Amino acid sequence: AQSVTQLGSHVSVSEGALVLLRCNYSSSVPPYLFWYVQYPNQGLQLLLKYTSAATLVKGINGFEAEFKKSETSFHLTKPSAHMSDAAEYFCAVSKNSGNTPLVFGKGTRLSVIA
Amino acid sequence: GAVVSQHPSWVICKSGTSVKIECRSLDFQATTMFWYRQFPKQSLMLMATSNEGSKATYEQGVEKDKFLINHASLTLSTLTVTSAHPEDSSFYICSAPRPMTSGGADEQFFGPGTRLTVL
Repeated sequence: AQSVTQLGSHVSVSEGALVLLRCNYSSSVPPYLFWYVQYPNQGLQLLLKYTSAATLVKGINGFEAEFKKSETSFHLTKPSAHMSDAAEYFCAVSKNSGNTPLVFGKGTRLSVIA
Repeated sequence: GAVVSQHPSWVICKSGTSVKIECRSLDFQATTMFWYRQFPKQSLMLMATSNEGSKATYEQGVEKDKFLINHASLTLSTLTVTSAHPEDSSFYICSAPRPMTSGGADEQFFGPGTRLTVL
């Protein structure tokens, strides 16, 4: 079985500060890992995904994440937060890159303070 | 990029009525689609896998007679909430894997979601 744990249901950062959203996974098979962003009353937008290639994955909007097998982690970072980054972020795991349903973490709400 | 649409985007209905939600893949064919439910301030939970031309596969605890899924074509899956009750009020999101010519799928694309409120 696969599962995802997101540490911190709410993270608050100042504009321009580093963003760090934590995600740990559990998987009995090599995982495919994803980060999605959700704005209020909208669907999910893919930020980035890990599919067993490079361990450091760069995504859209300046976000990146590093896959660390030894730590079973896939934390999301952004060097400098922008007001428009305020949203809900979901980490997800799957058995492959697209054909199987995703197992989502509970989400982390990011607030950016001016 | 690939697009998945949902209709309606929001619906309000009376308790006891049925509501149909459509999920369409606009620029690719999807033999499989997934339906998720998201309660307020919670994560997405998989409800069922919709398979074109065959019966849907439901997750444990999801009533198949209450949440009817029909995947009638390669671009359309529908979720019908029958005899809706206030506890069915939720955000329903579908996703569709985009197939690759080499087989498999490279990515899932999510619809914008449907907000259902049952009074």
